[in-house]
Amino acid sequence: DVKVTQSSRYLVKRTGEKVFLECVQDMDHENMFWYRQDPGLGLRLIYFSYDVKMKEKGDIPEGYSVSREKKERFSLILESASTNQTSMYLCASSPPGQGVKQYFGPGTRLTVT
Amino acid sequence: KNEVEQSPQNLTAQEGEFITINCSYSVGISALHWLQQHPGGGIVSLFMLSSGKKKHGRLIATINIQEKHSSLHITASHPRDSAVYICAVLANFGNEKLTFGTGTRLTIIP
Repeated sequence: DVKVTQSSRYLVKRTGEKVFLECVQDMDHENMFWYRQDPGLGLRLIYFSYDVKMKEKGDIPEGYSVSREKKERFSLILESASTNQTSMYLCASSPPGQGVKQYFGPGTRLTVT
Repeated sequence: KNEVEQSPQNLTAQEGEFITINCSYSVGISALHWLQQHPGGGIVSLFMLSSGKKKHGRLIATINIQEKHSSLHITASHPRDSAVYICAVLANFGNEKLTFGTGTRLTIIP
């Protein structure tokens, strides 16, 4: 069974703090994704990575950065958290190729106060 | 206008009813995914299809490429089917990014 884990289920941070969200997958997948999910907007892609040290911006990268130093780990960084980054953050991974299944982590509900 | 539209947004039904959730999209696609999200957040992939029909237990997914439309059906619905169902498409531009609908919240009442 593919397992995608995220470092926290719930996180509360203050405005201006630097926030790290970690995602680890155990299936040797090349592709990893970070999404945020907001009511009425669905899932939106922040960044994705198709290999170690490779990354591409998604639809809403502003205010975020990512790091992929090892194949199994993909980190999302909020350099200076703001209240409009309060959201559910979901990580996913997949093998390469078009039309393959993505495997999702359980999500991290981040609240920025 | 969103590239992926789902209907209805919310659906409440009695246990045992036949359920249909619809997904329409506006771009050319190479694949369409149906996902299920239970309260608490975790998302599970139910189906991936690029043509025709797929069935898994009480769930059936169909797609009509010409009409840019897909449906997810649940037969003999059960309270444990209560979840948010999300449609996502992979556009045929040559990348691997999904575009998601906003989801349909299904509640099955015993």
